[in-house]
Amino acid sequence: GNSVTQMEGPVTLSEEAFLTINCTYTATGYPSLFWYVQYPGEGLQLLLKATKADDKGSNKGFEATYRKETTSFHLEKGSVQVSDSAVYFCALSNTGKLIFGQGTTLQVKP
Amino acid sequence: GAGVSQSPRYKVAKRGQDVALRCDPISGHVSLFWYQQALGQGPEFLTYFQNEAQLDKSGLPSDRFFAERPEGSVSTLKIQRTQQEDSAVYLCASSERRADPYEQYFGPGTRLTVT
Repeated sequence: GNSVTQMEGPVTLSEEAFLTINCTYTATGYPSLFWYVQYPGEGLQLLLKATKADDKGSNKGFEATYRKETTSFHLEKGSVQVSDSAVYFCALSNTGKLIFGQGTTLQVKP
Repeated sequence: GAGVSQSPRYKVAKRGQDVALRCDPISGHVSLFWYQQALGQGPEFLTYFQNEAQLDKSGLPSDRFFAERPEGSVSTLKIQRTQQEDSAVYLCASSERRADPYEQYFGPGTRLTVT
């Protein structure tokens, strides 16, 4: 069946450090891939998405590239800020419903 | 504009009680999804509506769980004879179109605690 695996957290970084959160997936067909973010006390919101192989999704300085050959969709940001502290979820969809990874908590210290 | 709203935000139920959780999607959104999020986990799909039709209920964990969307807008998730393992945050999401890859907009969730 379809599934998503994320690197375990928490990830703790200093401000302006480089961020990578690994995400790999297993799916039939050609799913769309997403990163959702949940800030403290807020609901889930879409951060970025990619709908086909080699697409790069980007938003707010974050980016992720859909790699079909490695079945991966790693999230990266060149310079994190304290305000990026949140829980990040990788997800896939090929039938409409979202299938999420377990989430990775990011804590950025000043 | 108004986003997805859910009520109540918090619900405490005694084991064996029935509960009803409400979701008001974004006006005009065709698709509506329910997810269950256990503590420290990612959301898990429960059920999906396109307008008033329930097209997928494969994620409902037992026949104690029931969802409806009679007029194609507001939806209610009902849990009968609640058990402790039902304790979770229940998330509702709506989408403008009927399928992926359209963005799903999430509500704030209802945190259900069964004592």
